[in-house]
Amino acid sequence: AQSVTQLGSHVSVSEGALVLLRCNYSSSVPPYLFWYVQYPNQGLQLLLKYTTGATLVKGINGFEAEFKKSETSFHLTKPSAHMSDAAEYFCAVSSRGGGNKLTFGTGTQLKVEL
Amino acid sequence: EAGVVQSPRYKIIEKKQPVAFWCNPISGHNTLYWYRQNLGQGPELLIRYENEEAVDDSQLPKDRFSAERLKGVDSTLKIQPAELGDSAVYLCASSLGTSGLYNEQFFGPGTRLTVL
Repeated sequence: AQSVTQLGSHVSVSEGALVLLRCNYSSSVPPYLFWYVQYPNQGLQLLLKYTTGATLVKGINGFEAEFKKSETSFHLTKPSAHMSDAAEYFCAVSSRGGGNKLTFGTGTQLKVEL
Repeated sequence: EAGVVQSPRYKIIEKKQPVAFWCNPISGHNTLYWYRQNLGQGPELLIRYENEEAVDDSQLPKDRFSAERLKGVDSTLKIQPAELGDSAVYLCASSLGTSGLYNEQFFGPGTRLTVL
């Protein structure tokens, strides 16, 4: 069985500050890892994913995440927050050969303040 | 290119009534998923289709939920009868396939169901 833990259901940062959203996973086999963003009343949009290879993954809108196997983590970062980054962010895991079933965390609501 | 289309966007019904949701995936996407997202939670998979075959329906409450994807394209999810606890957002997603290169899931905007 696999699971995802997102630390902090709400994160608030100032515009221009570093964004750090935490994600830890549990999986019995090497996983695929994903970060999705959800704006109000919209579906989920993929920010980035890790499948294999380079452990630092760059995504859209200036976001990146680093896969750290020893820490079972996949934290999402952005050097400088923008007001338009305010949304809910979901970390998800799927297992290789597991039919692409995504298991999501409970989400982190990011607030960006002036 | 059109994304995943879902309708209706919002639905309000009384408990014990039936309700249906429709999803049209991205053209060429063989794999279709239905998820349920409860308030304050991440989405949870209900059912996955490969073409017209339901290959993973282990999380679908089969006493009241049913789904179909008759021609391997669009899909319908039905609840009959609805219960108060079914209030949630129902998300449809599609992907080209399920292996590493093709496993990105594209999500529709969802149907927000309120059961009174």
